[in-house]
Amino acid sequence: GENVEQHPSTLSVQEGDSAVIKCTYSDSASNYFPWYKQELGKGPQLIIDIRSNVGEKKDQRIAVTLNKTAKHFSLHITETQPEDSAVYFCAASTGSGGGADGLTFGKGTHLIIQP
Amino acid sequence: NAGVTQTPKFQVLKTGQSMTLQCAQDMNHEYMSWYRQDPGMGLRLIHYSVGAGITDQGEVPNGYNVSRSTTEDFPLRLLSAAPSQTSVYFCASSFSLVQNTGELFFGEGSRLTVL
Repeated sequence: GENVEQHPSTLSVQEGDSAVIKCTYSDSASNYFPWYKQELGKGPQLIIDIRSNVGEKKDQRIAVTLNKTAKHFSLHITETQPEDSAVYFCAASTGSGGGADGLTFGKGTHLIIQP
Repeated sequence: NAGVTQTPKFQVLKTGQSMTLQCAQDMNHEYMSWYRQDPGMGLRLIHYSVGAGITDQGEVPNGYNVSRSTTEDFPLRLLSAAPSQTSVYFCASSFSLVQNTGELFFGEGSRLTVL
């Protein structure tokens, strides 16, 4: 089955700096790569996703890049703010519907924004 | 907007006891799933359903049963609780595979402790 590795497990950055979280996946058939943000005591929430026919996607301060050849994808957060502090999960899916048959998640990155 | 509702939020069980975690969604989603979240392990899929009357196993199904008699509800049953089932459980739902956007909507979680 699919295996998703996520690094780093903890990332501390100064407010205003950029943060980058990286994931690799094992199954070349994976075609959908979402990123979820989990705040303390809450369920994960989708923040951005990318499909295998796209190399990069951006939404305001958040961007995701995908390298299918190397089988890795990354989350980039620019101009970090205190409210960006959370646990971030990457995930991958090979489902024909694009993900609704179950995602394989990475183990998470605890992002800490230092004031 | 209720979204995905999980009950109870907290539960303590003794080894061998049984219980049911309830999950209900009001978004008319076809797809529903259960994940468990353990420290350093990310989110792991337990069971999922692509519609009423249809269920399937995920990555870690042992010790858990599910059923899907209605579109709205997807309960998770622990038949004989074990300490290894101490975890935070998340229910999630999504649009059907046909209309799928890929986004999973998570509940706020149920924290279960088995003594």
